[in-house]
Amino acid sequence: AQSVTQLDSQVPVFEEAPVELRCNYSSSVSVYLFWYVQYPNQGLQLLLKYLSGSTLVKGINGFEAEFNKSQTSFHLRKPSVHISDTAEYFCAVSGGTSYGKLTFGQGTILTVHP
Amino acid sequence: NAGVMQNPRHLVRRRGQEARLRCSPMKGHSHVYWYRQLPEEGLKFMVYLQKENIIDESGMPKERFSAEFPKEGPSILRIQQVVRGDSAAYFCASSEGQDPYEQYFGPGTRLTVT
Repeated sequence: AQSVTQLDSQVPVFEEAPVELRCNYSSSVSVYLFWYVQYPNQGLQLLLKYLSGSTLVKGINGFEAEFNKSQTSFHLRKPSVHISDTAEYFCAVSGGTSYGKLTFGQGTILTVHP
Repeated sequence: NAGVMQNPRHLVRRRGQEARLRCSPMKGHSHVYWYRQLPEEGLKFMVYLQKENIIDESGMPKERFSAEFPKEGPSILRIQQVVRGDSAAYFCASSEGQDPYEQYFGPGTRLTVT
């Protein structure tokens, strides 16, 4: 079975500061990893995904994530955040016998203060 | 190209009534997934369907819940005899193909059981 742990439930940060949202996964097979963002009362939007190849993945809105197989991590980073980045962020994994099913972490609420 | 559409956006039902949630996938997408987001919890997979077939229903509660994706028309998630614990946001996603294709999420249906 696969599982995802997002290590921080809430991350407060000031505008223009860097941020890292942490995600660890557990799986006995090769996985595909995703980060989604959810703004209040909206659906989820894909930020970025790791399928294979380069371990550094760049996504939309200036976000990037690094796949670390030895540490089973897929942390999300942004060098300088904006007020508009305030949202909930979900790490997700699929692969193996899940046939497309996404397993999500509990979510991290990022709050950017002016 | 319209995105994933869900209706209604908000649904209020009294205990014991039936709830029907509809999802129209993106054009050209033949794979549909349903997820549930309960308060204070992350998103949980419920069911994965292709046209006229249920591929994976491992996340569906054993009773009262059913899903279909007919040859024509939207996918339907049906909840019979709703209880207060069914109050949640229900999200539909669609993809062009199977894992690891990107899943596009709809805006969700927020079900409130009174």
